[in-house]
Amino acid sequence: EDQVTQSPEALRLQEGESSSLNCSYTVSGLRGLFWYRQDPGKGPEFLFTLYSAGEEKEKERLKATLTKKESFLHITAPKPEDSATYLCAVQANNNDMRFGAGTRLTVKP
Amino acid sequence: ETGVTQTPRHLVMGMTNKKSLKCEQHLGHNAMYWYKQSAKKPLELMFVYNFKEQTENNSVPSRFSPECPNSSHLFLHLHTLQPEDSALYLCAISRTNYGYTFGSGTRLTVV
Repeated sequence: EDQVTQSPEALRLQEGESSSLNCSYTVSGLRGLFWYRQDPGKGPEFLFTLYSAGEEKEKERLKATLTKKESFLHITAPKPEDSATYLCAVQANNNDMRFGAGTRLTVKP
Repeated sequence: ETGVTQTPRHLVMGMTNKKSLKCEQHLGHNAMYWYKQSAKKPLELMFVYNFKEQTENNSVPSRFSPECPNSSHLFLHLHTLQPEDSALYLCAISRTNYGYTFGSGTRLTVV
């Protein structure tokens, strides 16, 4: 069965303290891996799609990477406005989409 | 604005009430979804519509009833809900090979 596991469940960083969020997955044929950001009281907001191992995508302080078993979301020199829940999702070749439970990131000034 | 509008934003209903959630999209995408989001749990897919046809019903209880009258609107009709149905209900749309675009959700509380 397809599975997506995100770790840690929660992460507290000081402003400027770089770190990484992990998304481990098992899927019967990966069509794409997606990262989303979700702020309280809002729906998830699309960040990146990764399609194959070795691929990387960057946006401001965020960089997403992909291997055959996991994806990392690297956050470089985070700011308080980066505080949010980050969701990972994998889409299988049959188009089924499965989400992880998310990592709640808090960045303190 | 994401182009996907959900109303109402908040809803409190008793277990004997009937209410409806509405989702409206202005992006012209073909696939529309209802998801349930509970605290600390992954998003749970409830219903999928492709070109206004329901293509998936993930064993959702019959007290939830979807309706897709046209490619711009999606409804979730609710009746005789249980307290454990309290959650954030999200509407999403997608195009092939792109990520989903979500609405802001309806926060539902069943009392």
